[in-house]
Amino acid sequence: EPEVTQTPSHQVTQMGQEVILRCVPISNHLYFYWYRQILGQKVEFLVSFYNNEISEKSEIFDDQFSVERPDGSNFTLKIRSTKLEDSAMYFCASSTGRAGELFFGEGSRLTVL
Amino acid sequence: SQQGEEDPQALSIQEGENATMNCSYKTSINNLQWYRQNSGRGLVHLILIRSNEREKHSGRLRVTLDTSKKSSSLLITASRAADTASYFCATVLQANNLFFGTGTRLTVIP
Repeated sequence: EPEVTQTPSHQVTQMGQEVILRCVPISNHLYFYWYRQILGQKVEFLVSFYNNEISEKSEIFDDQFSVERPDGSNFTLKIRSTKLEDSAMYFCASSTGRAGELFFGEGSRLTVL
Repeated sequence: SQQGEEDPQALSIQEGENATMNCSYKTSINNLQWYRQNSGRGLVHLILIRSNEREKHSGRLRVTLDTSKKSSSLLITASRAADTASYFCATVLQANNLFFGTGTRLTVIP
């Protein structure tokens, strides 16, 4: 069964360092998303991406964050200068259409020291 | 806030009992979806109910939607220990992005 894959599963970084989280969405999906979940808390929307551009972004997704689809398969989230409060589980998701079922990856746990 | 709010925050029941979780939201929606999350894992889609639907079933799951009250409920019948997880409602607004609630942590005791 097709699935969304995310790498790395866990990354530890020093505050101020750049981090890139990678996702391979399901191949025929057109809409891509990043969410984050601070340990034990709610799942927060970061950004949605369609047709090679950002569709919508939340207040969390400030200038330190960027997304890219560098080729036909990968979808990346970059955090330029990590802060302690960026420590969270980051989930990538994809869907075939607007407002439909989202398929989530298993997440990338980011720990900022 | 655009997010839904689940109630209760935590629920503990015996295996075989039914579990009911509620979700309230604030704005008009396109559809509402329920997801399940096992501890430390990704979210898994359970069921989608459109704004013009009132009830939907999928196996042991029953979802209701009351748009006049801006609320939804998820009923899991004949619960099993494997149903232990967090359950989230997610509202799809006109901008077509999903916004998740705070979740209900369900524990099913064998």
